[in-house]
Amino acid sequence: EVQLVESGGGLVQPGGSLRLSCAASGFIVSSNYMSWVRQAPGKGLEWVSVIYSGGSTYYADSVKGRFTISRDNSKNTLYLQMNSLRDEDTAVYYCARELQGRFGELLYYFDYWGQGTLVTVSS
Amino acid sequence: EIVLTQSPATLSLSPGERATLSCRASQSVSSYLAWYQQKPGQAPRLLIYDASNRATGIPARFSGSGSGTDFTLTISSLEPEDFAVYYCQQRTNRLFGPGTKVDIK
Repeated sequence: EVQLVESGGGLVQPGGSLRLSCAASGFIVSSNYMSWVRQAPGKGLEWVSVIYSGGSTYYADSVKGRFTISRDNSKNTLYLQMNSLRDEDTAVYYCARELQGRFGELLYYFDYWGQGTLVTVSS
Repeated sequence: EIVLTQSPATLSLSPGERATLSCRASQSVSSYLAWYQQKPGQAPRLLIYDASNRATGIPARFSGSGSGTDFTLTISSLEPEDFAVYYCQQRTNRLFGPGTKVDIK
């Protein structure tokens, strides 16, 4: 059974840092495309970052230069290092696996999601 | 940048009724559009991808249609568990629409 479990959220001051983790089971993180998606309180969904199976990484403009996505293959875990945090980064952060087609091609949709972890940036 | 708009913002219906939700793109996205359902306190769930393909385990009462700039999610007969917020998402920049809330009339 595919499962994603996020951790690492909490309260942090503006300008601070936080590292989120997403432990996966039921599939191999390094063979898949993995993303972080966030949702501010009462708002919609915003894609944040993706790491491809080959290791390439991409970011939304709103977090570029401040956030870093990575993975630990030995732990089958995805990470999001968040630096220089701002009030507007306050959100529930979900990790999500991206759907692949029949031939392993990336489809850019999210088929499995974790339960989310809340990050609150406030003084 | 391609922008998605969803209408209506809120749809008030009774169980058993048909729900029709709209998603419009500011320029053509071909058939590259997905729909998600999100209930309060839960993560989103993928319902439809590539405009009309149901994801694994999704009931047949959910169907998607459209191409280009205009897309529709139809729930043929609302079950109590279908009252939720629905988001569309296009592939470019993995951008989501603002959502449509389906609530009980």
